[in-house]
Amino acid sequence: KAGVTQTPRYLIKTRGQQVTLSCSPISGHRSVSWYQQTPGQGLQFLFEYFSETQRNKGNFPGRFSGRQFSNSRSEMNVSTLELGDSALYLCASSLDGPDDGTLEKLFFGSGTQLSVL
Amino acid sequence: EDKVVQSPLSLVVHEGDTVTLNCSYEVTNFRSLLWYKQEKKAPTFLFMLTSSGIEKKSGRLSSILDKKELFSILNITATQTGDSAIYLCAVTRGAQKLVFGQGTRLTINP
Repeated sequence: KAGVTQTPRYLIKTRGQQVTLSCSPISGHRSVSWYQQTPGQGLQFLFEYFSETQRNKGNFPGRFSGRQFSNSRSEMNVSTLELGDSALYLCASSLDGPDDGTLEKLFFGSGTQLSVL
Repeated sequence: EDKVVQSPLSLVVHEGDTVTLNCSYEVTNFRSLLWYKQEKKAPTFLFMLTSSGIEKKSGRLSSILDKKELFSILNITATQTGDSAIYLCAVTRGAQKLVFGQGTRLTINP
């Protein structure tokens, strides 16, 4: 079974530009969540999607948005990039099964390393 | 606000040593605590703990949760160079939103 796939692996942008990151979850996983990882702040939750709907949202500005498609693939968009948006963006998927802990057990992709110049 | 604090932030030991990593938390409506290992980019799942006092084991790794004192420990015995990684602790209320600690960077020297 293929793991969580994120593209691209690396991205270099300049301030003010926008960027779209892509994530394909493990087959059968319907929940996809996004995290930002920086050396100073660690891993921070951005948002979670299930059945094409945003189900949970973290404390990030509106420049950060996402969506999920009917095949569970997800995209994350950051508009008007700032230097502080430089980070590793991790996508994770999980089963949304019965109440047995499967929801919280996340499987992460290798991330997209975004550098904003 | 939910909070997870890991200690130490960095640890260097020799191969064969035993290490204990700490994770304390404050979260409303706690449901579970998870440990992940991050070697390069993708964190990989180690343990999920929901009940106090029950040790989870996987080979040389083990973890236990104390819900009264709000902490967990991750033990690694007979460490190997391949155990070098960042170890992440996270808590959840049951939704998909995990709150992570800063991580412990573990370095095992041969």
